Amino acid sequence: QKEVEQNSGPLSVPEGAIASLNCTYSDRVSQSFFWYRQYSGKSPELIMSIYSNGDKEDGRFTAQLNKASQYVSLLIRDSQPSDSATYLCAVSGGYQKVTFGTGTKLQVIP
Amino acid sequence: GAVVSQHPSWVICKSGTSVKIECRSLDFQATTMFWYRQFPKQSLMLMATSNEGSKATYEQGVEKDKFLINHASLTLSTLTVTSAHPEDSSFYICSARERAKSEYQPQHFGDGTRLSIL
Repeated sequence: QKEVEQNSGPLSVPEGAIASLNCTYSDRVSQSFFWYRQYSGKSPELIMSIYSNGDKEDGRFTAQLNKASQYVSLLIRDSQPSDSATYLCAVSGGYQKVTFGTGTKLQVIP
Repeated sequence: GAVVSQHPSWVICKSGTSVKIECRSLDFQATTMFWYRQFPKQSLMLMATSNEGSKATYEQGVEKDKFLINHASLTLSTLTVTSAHPEDSSFYICSARERAKSEYQPQHFGDGTRLSIL
């Protein structure tokens, strides 16, 4: 079983819609959860961090964490073509290395 | 804040050449830096974890004698690809984790180095 699992996609949403990206993880002691965005040919960019159960909002982005279900998600409201990228979920158990999922490719269709 | 600089951005060189890539944390101290490789349309692959003042920890299948890592200070780690061959052509990305104020620190990535071996 992979430690961090994401659907590879592509996930296609129309412009202006809500994109929902999901991630599950296997290590119950995980404490820190991150979402990165990676444009084609570029390196990953940190967009959200979440550490406690519930929702965390930052602009058009909302991260949701449910530790009991070992599930973390990212919602992108009012999706724009510029949001088209691969979104990486990352999980850490503290001082240990961060484990990345393989990413979900998002396509926002104008 | 949390800027990681990686140099060079592009390298094109002949087979057999050794190539050094630098990764610097510009506005924070990084006790731990990570080196990744990414082939086209594939996911990030962790190559090694670099800790300041100690030997790097390599992932399974990564040749430590081929990919030399040095983390000489809290702001600099280098990756040297020795005797590079065309199959080493890839996108190499470093990341750094801030010396922990707490353990809940994300990794911050450099812009990557695109290596092409002819």
